[in-house]
Formats: sequence, C-alpha cells, structure tokens
Amino acid sequence: DTGVSQDPRHKITKRGQNVTFRCDPISEHNRLYWYRQTLGQGPEFLTYFQNEAQLEKSRLLSDRFSAERPKGSFSTLEIQRTEQGDSAMYLCASSLGNRGYEQYFGPGTRLTVT
Amino acid sequence: SQKIEQNSEALNIQEGKTATLTCNYTNYSPAYLQWYRQDPGRGPVFLLLIRENEKEKRKERLKVTFDTTLKQSLFHITASQPADSATYLCALGGSSGSARQLTFGSGTQLTVLP
Repeated sequence: DTGVSQDPRHKITKRGQNVTFRCDPISEHNRLYWYRQTLGQGPEFLTYFQNEAQLEKSRLLSDRFSAERPKGSFSTLEIQRTEQGDSAMYLCASSLGNRGYEQYFGPGTRLTVT
Repeated sequence: SQKIEQNSEALNIQEGKTATLTCNYTNYSPAYLQWYRQDPGRGPVFLLLIRENEKEKRKERLKVTFDTTLKQSLFHITASQPADSATYLCALGGSSGSARQLTFGSGTQLTVLP
C-alpha cells in the first residue's frame, strides 16, 4: 500500500500527558499537512511542511502543539500537557508539489483524553 | 468573518436520482475549490478540483460547478447508488495568500436509499 499511513490509529491518554503521532506520506510527495477534525465538523488546518520546512501554522495552534519533519519524509505531531479539548481525529495529508493541489489523506489518529 | 456553509441538513435521495450538494462561502476569494468524500472513521478522499476561472468540471458520474459571483459551488452525483452514501466535504484553497492551506466546510451527509 503506497498511501499515507498514520500511527497509532487510536490513542487514549490521561489529561496532562504528552502524546506523539507519526505520519508517513506518499513517498514522492514533498508537501505534508496536519489537520484536526471533531465530530460533525470538517478538517481544520493545523500546519504544513514543504520538505523539512514548516511553512504555515494555524493561529489556532496552541504552543502545546509542535510538529516536525526532520528529513523531509515522515512527520511527527506532539501534543504536550493534553487537555480534554484536544480529543479529536488528527489527520495527515500529503501532496505532490507543483503538480497539483489535491491532498491525499491518511486514516487519521483518534485521540481521546480522559 | 469567513464562513463556508454546506447543506444544513443531511440529504436522503432515492437510488438512481441525481444528488445535488451545495457549498456557499463568504469573505473568501479562493483560487480553487475541491470536493472530498469521507466515510465514517476514515480520512477524506479527493474527488474533484475546480479553479476560479473554470465554470464546470466532470468526472464520470460527478459534476461540479463554481460560480465566483454567487460564491457558490454545486456538486452533482448522477445515477446515484447506495455506495455513494458518505459525507461530502467542500474545501477552499488559495485564499489569503496561502496557496496550499485548505479550509473545509462541515460536510453534507448523503444517504442513497435502495
């Protein structure tokens, strides 16, 4: 399967703990995006990388959130000191540079903060 | 403030009929608009992209129109099938100087009845 993969698929954590999610994009895609989606809503943009450079961050992104893409391949999203309001589906997507604007999404990581 | 509105209620139609979904937006000037399909517990899947200078795009049983004067896109599924049942998301891109960030509507849940 050469699609976008995410790990883990589900994460349950206690309030105050740190969590880290991983995304592996489609191999030739140089752009990578993170979104958050809550029930009944569309995905909400969090941040975007072109290769290893983080080019955009949502103003809604708390300083408890940090994302990296160290070698321009996989990416990690870390949430520190989780809060119940962080419970959501975290989606990763990738796209192929200047060839097109369509984004290819992974299956998501569902985070539940208790 | 910026707003994207999709059909306010879920849409139920009979198999074989044409489903028409709407996406209206305010205070955006998108360079392009995309439609995605999302099944429960899965990431969105790209369907169609239409640019601001295009009026209509077709792909198999799918058709999308884009009216930048009305600030509206219509998404049609002809000869609908129960397998078309899903949530459909519209997403605007290329606004506010951000070429790659997508802003999603909250989606329309479509059910095609056999």
